[in-house]
Amino acid sequence: DGGITQSPKYLFRKEGQNVTLSCEQNLNHDAMYWYRQDPGQGLRLIYYSQIVNDFQKGDIAEGYSVSREKKESFPLTVTSAQKNPTAFYLCASSIEDRVKYGYTFGSGTRLTVV
Amino acid sequence: KNEVEQSPQNLTAQEGEFITINCSYSVGISALHWLQQHPGGGIVSLFMLSSGKKKHGRLIATINIQEKHSSLHITASHPRDSAVYICAVRSGNQFYFGTGTSLTVIP
Repeated sequence: DGGITQSPKYLFRKEGQNVTLSCEQNLNHDAMYWYRQDPGQGLRLIYYSQIVNDFQKGDIAEGYSVSREKKESFPLTVTSAQKNPTAFYLCASSIEDRVKYGYTFGSGTRLTVV
Repeated sequence: KNEVEQSPQNLTAQEGEFITINCSYSVGISALHWLQQHPGGGIVSLFMLSSGKKKHGRLIATINIQEKHSSLHITASHPRDSAVYICAVRSGNQFYFGTGTSLTVIP
């Protein structure tokens, strides 16, 4: 079955360390997205990519970096510059016609800074 | 102010009750989505609407474009419906998300 795989499900990081969250999709979707979810807040867009080797900043890109070297993969790096990295991170993808088909979401990664 | 507002924030119901979750938005949209987030965190898409009404099993979603309002109804609610329900709208190239409605259905 096609879908989005995020790994790991839970991740612990020491302050000052960079950490990379994995997102892989086998849906042949063109666009991929990273969202952050905090208690009491809606999902907030970190970065998105509509095509390989291209990506754009979302609303809260500071302290994060991404790459899109392959269509299937869109890893997110949480850098030490991110002041409050503890959150739930969701990856999503969509085909070109998002109006008709919407998003497919991964199962998320819960990052905790210790 | 959020572009998408949901109500109520929390909802507790007895099994079998009819449930309504509301979503209002302030931007022009091309589509509205209802999402379900399970306790483990994974999100599934329930509906995508641009007009009218859609039904899937015990779930019904309606949208009124003129009033910028959508409702998600659950008939004959069941404990397995307990989850967070999120309303999201697409406006241009942006998606805006509500903060979610946490539903608990008690047996």
